[in-house]
Amino acid sequence: GIQVEQSPPDLILQEGANSTLRCNFSDSVNNLQWFHQNPWGQLINLFYIPSGTKQNGRLSATTVATERYSLLYISSSQTTDSGVYFCAVRQTSGSRLTFGEGTQLTVNP
Amino acid sequence: NAGVMQNPRHLVRRRGQEARLRCSPMKGHSHVYWYRQLPEEGLKFMVYLQKENIIDESGMPKERFSAEFPKEGPSILRIQQVVRGDSAAYFCASSLTGQGTNGYTFGSGTRLTVV
Repeated sequence: GIQVEQSPPDLILQEGANSTLRCNFSDSVNNLQWFHQNPWGQLINLFYIPSGTKQNGRLSATTVATERYSLLYISSSQTTDSGVYFCAVRQTSGSRLTFGEGTQLTVNP
Repeated sequence: NAGVMQNPRHLVRRRGQEARLRCSPMKGHSHVYWYRQLPEEGLKFMVYLQKENIIDESGMPKERFSAEFPKEGPSILRIQQVVRGDSAAYFCASSLTGQGTNGYTFGSGTRLTVV
């Protein structure tokens, strides 16, 4: 099956800092989503981005499908951004989303 | 326009009991997926169902676990004779098509604790 690798596994920031999270995948995909799992365990969909660039407030994402990676940018981080960020992909030939292991983000005040 | 609804949010079962987890997909979605998240881990695929059919159950444990998505009503994930290792968060997702090209919407999960 497809392999999904996220980096870094852990990230600690001071409030106001910017960060970039990376997701590499091993096969062609027709779906890529970024999720934020907050400290209460809720899984929040951030972006549906199989290709191209999208922005939503302080967050933006870019997927370069031909090079099999996606980036999630967080600008001016806030303590409420803390949690785990997951990248999930669907192989073009597959039937389900496969998740990476996540990046644990901690934003300190 | 309610999202994916899962209930209960929290479920406590004693070892040997049965656990039933329910998932109502988004309105108009006929494709349902179940995932399990063990503590401190990512989400692992369990099963993919379309109305009345199991499409892919390659992630389901061979024993004690079953899933259904009847013509009427929610999808049910059933765990018989639960053991401590079944303690996890179980998430359900739904999609409009089976191609996944419209994205997947996840519910808030059911946290199962086996005591």
